[in-house]
Amino acid sequence: AQKITQTQPGMFVQEKEAVTLDCTYDTSDPSYGLFWYKQPSSGEMIFLIYQGSYDQQNATEGRYSLNFQKARKSANLVISASQLGDSAMYFCAMRNTGNQFYFGTGTSLTVIP
Amino acid sequence: GAGVSQSPSNKVTEKGKDVELRCDPISGHTALYWYRQSLGQGLEFLIYFQGNSAPDKSGLPSDRFSAERTGGSVSTLTIQRTQQEDSAVYLCASSPLTGFQPQHFGDGTRLSIL
Repeated sequence: AQKITQTQPGMFVQEKEAVTLDCTYDTSDPSYGLFWYKQPSSGEMIFLIYQGSYDQQNATEGRYSLNFQKARKSANLVISASQLGDSAMYFCAMRNTGNQFYFGTGTSLTVIP
Repeated sequence: GAGVSQSPSNKVTEKGKDVELRCDPISGHTALYWYRQSLGQGLEFLIYFQGNSAPDKSGLPSDRFSAERTGGSVSTLTIQRTQQEDSAVYLCASSPLTGFQPQHFGDGTRLSIL
């Protein structure tokens, strides 16, 4: 079975600090893609970052980086230098070879000024 | 526009009525997905269209829900005999089929059943 687990329903971080949002996945597919999305209170789903299962290096996009540990099946999102606008729900997702997507239950991040 | 377009953005209807929600994907995206999101909850997969293949309907919660995709582009999600528990935001997403590319989401339709 394919599955995404996000164990942190809510997280708090001080402005300008870094924060790690956890994500573990379960798949038997040899090839897959891992994604993080941000959903602010306005409701839109914003794609943040992508990691391919065969990528040797961790993905980075500006202040976002993905800590990919394939053997542990984890794909944690690291946000550096948190900003107030980072307060949102964050969803981890996986795409398998059948082009199906699986989403975690999300982590609510609150940035404290 | 270049993004996924959903209409209407808001829909209020009475219990028992039928509703149609529309999704216009990004041009060239052959995969199209529908999700449902209740307030404060995660995404619930409903249905997935992949090119000309038969859709994956495994997420549809009941036979009141159906969807079609005409000409490989625009999709319509229909809910018949709406119930109050159908109230949610319905999100549509599209993606290319090649490579492990991300989905791009529309802004959703907020459906309220009175």
